[in-house]
Amino acid sequence: DTEVTQTPKHLVMGMTNKKSLKCEQHMGHRAMYWYKQKAKKPPELMFVYSYEKLSINESVPSRFSPECPNSSLLNLHLHALQPEDSALYLCASSHLQGTNYGYTFGSGTRLTVV
Amino acid sequence: GESVGLHLPTLSVQEGDNSIINCAYSNSASDYFIWYKQESGKGPQFIIDIRSNMDKRQGQRVTVLLNKTVKHLSLQIAATQPGDSAVYFCAENISGNEKLTFGTGTRLTIIP
Repeated sequence: DTEVTQTPKHLVMGMTNKKSLKCEQHMGHRAMYWYKQKAKKPPELMFVYSYEKLSINESVPSRFSPECPNSSLLNLHLHALQPEDSALYLCASSHLQGTNYGYTFGSGTRLTVV
Repeated sequence: GESVGLHLPTLSVQEGDNSIINCAYSNSASDYFIWYKQESGKGPQFIIDIRSNMDKRQGQRVTVLLNKTVKHLSLQIAATQPGDSAVYFCAENISGNEKLTFGTGTRLTIIP
């Protein structure tokens, strides 16, 4: 299995809703990432988990809450989002050592906040 | 702060011709680089990578060149096909640091 699987593919939520994005990989990667991508822009890093521990938080607002239940799963919990948070949310994973890190991205969740 | 950037935001190439997409990086500590292809509505797809101890690396129809002296990276696509139409991003990394930083992207359009 050489894929990163993200669910759901599309999500529409209101500003008072609570929702979660899910990501799964079975490549044995010990680093997992959340990126945010606005239209016509490059992906921007939000969070990094290394060995299931949060290692990087790029000053992301607390209405985004990441969780890494185990080495294969990564969640992003959403609460009280704003319309400007509408974007493509990408999950990625990689090795932490070796000559080929194998950064692999999922297809993303297209989030619309109304 | 330091970032990775691209010289050209758009590139149109005749089908069958070769394409060259350029990228400039400013962080001299970066030692690992990746090119990604992103089609509309999809996530970035790995194309090819290169480490700073190499100047050139070839894949199937693609070649990446690294010039560390001028901090320049390029992606060459041979005999471009309609399926090559996409946005191409370069990304940089420093070994030991999980962070992967993306450049601004180049939209490649193939003219039939």
